[in-house]
Amino acid sequence: EPEVTQTPSHQVTQMGQEVILRCVPISNHLYFYWYRQILGQKVEFLVSFYNNEISEKSEIFDDQFSVERPDGSNFTLKIRSTKLEDSAMYFCASSEAWREGYEQYFGPGTRLTVT
Amino acid sequence: AQRVTQPEKLLSVFKGAPVELKCNYSYSGSPELFWYVQYSRQRLQLLLRHISRESIKGFTADLNKGETSFHLKKPFAQEEDSAMYYCALRMIKAAGNKLTFGGGTRVLVKP
Repeated sequence: EPEVTQTPSHQVTQMGQEVILRCVPISNHLYFYWYRQILGQKVEFLVSFYNNEISEKSEIFDDQFSVERPDGSNFTLKIRSTKLEDSAMYFCASSEAWREGYEQYFGPGTRLTVT
Repeated sequence: AQRVTQPEKLLSVFKGAPVELKCNYSYSGSPELFWYVQYSRQRLQLLLRHISRESIKGFTADLNKGETSFHLKKPFAQEEDSAMYYCALRMIKAAGNKLTFGGGTRVLVKP
């Protein structure tokens, strides 16, 4: 069964550094998402992406964040200048459509640790 | 704004006992409700959605719009049900389609 994949599984970076988290959505899916989960807290929506544009973003997704689909398969989340509070598990998800009945499939997550 | 509340952080039950995970939501429109499960060291995966009204792995959930609840139930818990369970809500609209999650309930089924 096709799965969403994410790399790396764990990323450690220093405060102020740029990081890029990578995701390969399921191949026939058209809608892509990033969520994050700070340790002990809820899974929170960051951004949704369709047709090479951001469809919706949360207030967490400020100018330090960007998303890109650089080729036909990858979907990336870039954090320009990481802060300690960016430490979290980042989940990528994809769905075939947005209509009722189409579920979002999640990747295994990337644990980002900012020191 | 939409909100999902799971009041129990931890539910510990014995094998064969019933288990009920509570989920309440607030949203002014007509939402789509889901239960996601995360087994140890695995990814989030969909367990149930309210529109399908089916039983998966013995779990059922009924959407009660009057009480704005979507509680998850299983009459006889098994050890393999030990996992983290998340209730989630989605508004159906053009393209945005974000999921709003509750805080999660950890279920521990003891032998």
